[in-house]
Amino acid sequence: AQSVTQLGSHVSVSEGALVLLRCNYSSSVPPYLFWYVQYPNQGLQLLLKYTSAATLVKGINGFEAEFKKSETSFHLTKPSAHMSDAAEYFCAVRAYGNNRLAFGKGNQVVVIP
Amino acid sequence: GAGVSQSPRYKVAKRGQDVALRCDPISGHVSLFWYQQALGQGPEFLTYFQNEAQLDKSGLPSDRFFAERPEGSVSTLKIQRTQQEDSAVYLCASSLAGLAAEQFFGPGTRLTVL
Repeated sequence: AQSVTQLGSHVSVSEGALVLLRCNYSSSVPPYLFWYVQYPNQGLQLLLKYTSAATLVKGINGFEAEFKKSETSFHLTKPSAHMSDAAEYFCAVRAYGNNRLAFGKGNQVVVIP
Repeated sequence: GAGVSQSPRYKVAKRGQDVALRCDPISGHVSLFWYQQALGQGPEFLTYFQNEAQLDKSGLPSDRFFAERPEGSVSTLKIQRTQQEDSAVYLCASSLAGLAAEQFFGPGTRLTVL
């Protein structure tokens, strides 16, 4: 079964600094990969997704992620953190032929002014 | 347009009570999913519908959990004889058909079992 690993539940980043959230997946076949953001008391919002097209995926709010098959990784980055980026971020995988999403435990991002 | 809506947003139940959680998906979305999100954790899959057919219920934690979508639109997740470990946020998501289709999530129902 597919699974996702996100290390470091809380991530602190200074305003204007690089945001890097790591995601590693395990899947027996090439997967679909997603990053979602969750603001307090709201549902999850899709940031970006990888569906076997370009390995570098650009999403909303200046985020991007790179699919690296050799490393089974799909790390999320943003060059310059903004206060509005404070939220919880989830990586998710959807194996080919399977409809369900399997989520990581999430990263709570705190932006320090 | 309107997104996925869920009601109630908050539910407090005494242990042993039955609860029903409602999900209104985006109009035209054939796929509907239920997830359970415990405090400090990522969402965990519960069940999946395609139209009115429940195609996957392997994530339901016990036979106290039951979901239905009788007309292929609104869905209800029912939990019988609630237990404290059922306390969580229950998220509903809907999508168009296709494995790469984006799942759109509702705001969730926060269930607290006392």
